[in-house]
Amino acid sequence: RKEVEQDPGPFNVPEGATVAFNCTYSNSASQSFFWYRQDCRKEPKLLMSVYSSGNEDGRFTAQLNRASQYISLLIRDSKLSDSATYLCAVTAPFYNQGGKLIFGQGTELSVKP
Amino acid sequence: DAGITQSPRHKVTETGTPVTLRCHQTENHRYMYWYRQDPGHGLRLIHYSYGVKDTDKGEVSDGYSVSRSKTEDFLLTLESATSSQTSVYFCAISDEGGPSDTQYFGPGTRLTVL
Repeated sequence: RKEVEQDPGPFNVPEGATVAFNCTYSNSASQSFFWYRQDCRKEPKLLMSVYSSGNEDGRFTAQLNRASQYISLLIRDSKLSDSATYLCAVTAPFYNQGGKLIFGQGTELSVKP
Repeated sequence: DAGITQSPRHKVTETGTPVTLRCHQTENHRYMYWYRQDPGHGLRLIHYSYGVKDTDKGEVSDGYSVSRSKTEDFLLTLESATSSQTSVYFCAISDEGGPSDTQYFGPGTRLTVL
C-alpha cells in the first residue's frame, strides 16, 4: 500500500462545477498536510496547507480527517484556469527527518467550457 | 516566486555516462531537496541536505550522490546514468525544514538517458 494515495482521475468537469478530491495517508503519526498544484510540465506550487480545523481560501476549501486519515480539497465554481494536477503531500512523521514530503500521484483536473 | 534555478533544464545523455544536475537558490534557506517525478509514481525524494556538507538519503537514493559545499548550491550526480533514471528532476528548498514548513520547487530538469 502506498503511503499517500490519490485517485489519478482525470476529473473532467464543466465550468462552474464543484469538484472534490480526496487523499488518504497510511501513517497515523503524520503531522502536516498540503495541497500542491502542478501545471503541465511545470513545478509543483503550494496551493494550501491543511489544518485540523479546516481552512478556506476563496473558492478552495481543505479539510483534514485524522480519524479516517484523509485530506480533501474542494473547488467551487471551477474555472478553466483551475485545470491542472493537484498533488497532496504529507510530511514524514518525525522532525529529525527534515520535514520530508511524501506525495501522492496527483489528481488531474480538466475544466471544460 | 522563490529564487531557485536548476541547470541544465534539459539533457540527453547516454547510458554509463556521469551526469551532474545543479540547483541554485538565492533565498539562503537551510534545507534543500532533490526529487524525481515519474508517471505512476509521483514525486519521490532522492536526497536532501540540512546544511552545508550535511546530507541524507531519501527513498530512492541508489545510483545518486549529492554534494553541498555552499548554502546556495546543491548538486545531484548520477555516477553512471541508466535508462531507469530518465525522469524529471525537481529541486526544492525550505527555510526550517520542519514538519509544517513549506517547500518551494525549482523549474525542473528533464533528463533522458538513451
